Amino acid sequence: AQKVTQAQTEISVVEKEDVTLDCVYETRDTTYYLFWYKQPPSGELVFLIRRNSFDEQNEISGRYSWNFQKSTSSFNFTITASQVVDSAVYFCALSEAGGGYSTLTFGKGTMLLVSP
Amino acid sequence: DTGVSQNPRHKITKRGQNVTFRCDPISEHNRLYWYRQTLGQGPEFLTYFQNEAQLEKSRLLSDRFSAERPKGSFSTLEIQRTEQGDSAMYLCASSLGFGPPEKLFFGSGTQLSVL
Repeated sequence: AQKVTQAQTEISVVEKEDVTLDCVYETRDTTYYLFWYKQPPSGELVFLIRRNSFDEQNEISGRYSWNFQKSTSSFNFTITASQVVDSAVYFCALSEAGGGYSTLTFGKGTMLLVSP
Repeated sequence: DTGVSQNPRHKITKRGQNVTFRCDPISEHNRLYWYRQTLGQGPEFLTYFQNEAQLEKSRLLSDRFSAERPKGSFSTLEIQRTEQGDSAMYLCASSLGFGPPEKLFFGSGTQLSVL
């Protein structure tokens, strides 16, 4: 079974639209960390956020915001007023205490296309 | 901070040949990871070093694959007797820490094509 599911394979929006990328995870650990990474066309994965399982506060960073809900095992990512430069593949990832935190398990990613 | 450096950027080889990739992590980072990414998929974990010790290996890492990190600095990933299924982007990442994971810094990857 997939530990991290990103059901949206591709999303297309027009600039200035808001967009939410979904992430659902599966773990038996009570302590774990969730991440979002961005992979632009250049290919290098860029860290966006880390959230631990004990902190359910939503976080906002500029146009980016994250909604962590343990009750639904979801860690969704919203981009407000999208821009063309936001076009990339976005990955959600999980790191579990039971695995010694040695690995990140990634979802398959969501490709976001923002057109002018 | 020069970032994580990987060489070569691209490698084309014939089936059955051996290939070796190099990763230079950020200098003070004690943790080093190798991942493999195929088209349309997320990165898949291959192996993990803490300093020079290889602490974790994925079952994806067959006996044709070997990784080293001598002296806890750069790392090499070797694939022997390459197969077409080995064609992928090989990503290296590094981080600093001993407990829960901090953010990983990724290199640009080595794209391997096995003909």
